[in-house]
Amino acid sequence: GAVVSQHPSWVICKSGTSVKIECRSLDFQATTMFWYRQFPKQSLMLMATSNEGSKATYEQGVEKDKFLINHASLTLSTLTVTSAHPEDSSFYICSAPTGTSGHNEQFFGPGTRLTVL
Amino acid sequence: GNSVTQMEGPVTLSEEAFLTINCTYTATGYPSLFWYVQYPGEGLQLLLKATKADDKGSNKGFEATYRKETTSFHLEKGSVQVSDSAVYFCALISGGFKTIFGAGTRLFVKA
Repeated sequence: GAVVSQHPSWVICKSGTSVKIECRSLDFQATTMFWYRQFPKQSLMLMATSNEGSKATYEQGVEKDKFLINHASLTLSTLTVTSAHPEDSSFYICSAPTGTSGHNEQFFGPGTRLTVL
Repeated sequence: GNSVTQMEGPVTLSEEAFLTINCTYTATGYPSLFWYVQYPGEGLQLLLKATKADDKGSNKGFEATYRKETTSFHLEKGSVQVSDSAVYFCALISGGFKTIFGAGTRLFVKA
């Protein structure tokens, strides 16, 4: 099956620094990728849709200047948490659909746990 | 708008017990329905899916049937194992690629 990887798997940073998280589709091309945030014992919250060759689409309430998304190629999307603060600590998960049908399932990355001190 | 409602957890069962996790949905059009599983500290994995009414998805002993008349997609397993302990998410896609998730149901299986 399709594989999506994320890097790093975990990161600890100081408050005020920026952190970049990579999401790669390893064996397929993805014009669209999704970024989710998951708080402990809660469901996934869609943050934004990453579109190759155009700007990301952010969900309501998500600060686009805080969470910068760049879809650099058909296999790579990056999420940069700028000027991170402790409240940004969370589990960040990316996903990508395969194919062009709007009903294909998502393939999820293993997630990145961010801890901001 | 589209939404997914699943039973609240946690659900605690003994090994070899029967499992049901209820899931109902609201959607325009004809959604595809999914169950995902998340093991501790990991991302989500697709467990099974169904793309049209009356389809039955199955995998690893788990089953779910797409019931359009009751807008439901309940997850069942006849005999759970300790290794099934995880969080289970019901989800739908209705047009586009955006996946709508339920809140998740945590399952604990005791030996």
